[in-house]
Amino acid sequence: SQKIEQNSEALNIQEGKTATLTCNYTNYSPAYLQWYRQDPGRGPVFLLLIRENEKEKRKERLKVTFDTTLKQSLFHITASQPADSATYLCALDLYGNNRLAFGKGNQVVVIP
Amino acid sequence: EAQVTQNPRYLITVTGKKLTVTCSQNMNHEYMSWYRQDPGLGLRQIYYSMNVEVTDKGDVPEGYKVSRKEKRNFPLILESPSPNQTSLYFCASTDMMNTEAFFGQGTRLTVV
Repeated sequence: SQKIEQNSEALNIQEGKTATLTCNYTNYSPAYLQWYRQDPGRGPVFLLLIRENEKEKRKERLKVTFDTTLKQSLFHITASQPADSATYLCALDLYGNNRLAFGKGNQVVVIP
Repeated sequence: EAQVTQNPRYLITVTGKKLTVTCSQNMNHEYMSWYRQDPGLGLRQIYYSMNVEVTDKGDVPEGYKVSRKEKRNFPLILESPSPNQTSLYFCASTDMMNTEAFFGQGTRLTVV
């Protein structure tokens, strides 16, 4: 069956350090992969999109990598801040028509 | 301001009493979808629509109906709600360039 896996354990990290999250998928060949941020009780907010022919994408303190051979994306938050505390979701387009399938999310807690 | 608006934000209802959750977007997006989010299960797609009068089932469509008579609106209808439909619901819209999905603020539904 098709799966998108994110670490279910919260990531506790000291302020200023780099947080790294992993998204693994099986049985997909996505054209792109997206990352979203979600705060409790609120809708996900888009952060970054990376296409299958891109190895890396950056936006301010965020960096995403995409390895289609390993079927894995890494999401990095550099110089993390308490305001970065949230749940981060990866999402894959199932059929190229934005039928997004989401991972369950990985919570990040940045400790001051 | 670009936004997706859902109403109501909170709703408590009784089993079997028909209800509608409205969703409206002001970005002229062709693609809209509904998700439910449950603890431990993540975001799951209920229905999606690629344009006016074009809708299709997502991963968990049972017990739900949708309609897309206008481009901006995509209501979610529960004809006979049951307690297992207690959940947090999100509407989302995306343009056809398959970039970011914009999510509404969520509707927390409790069926007793």
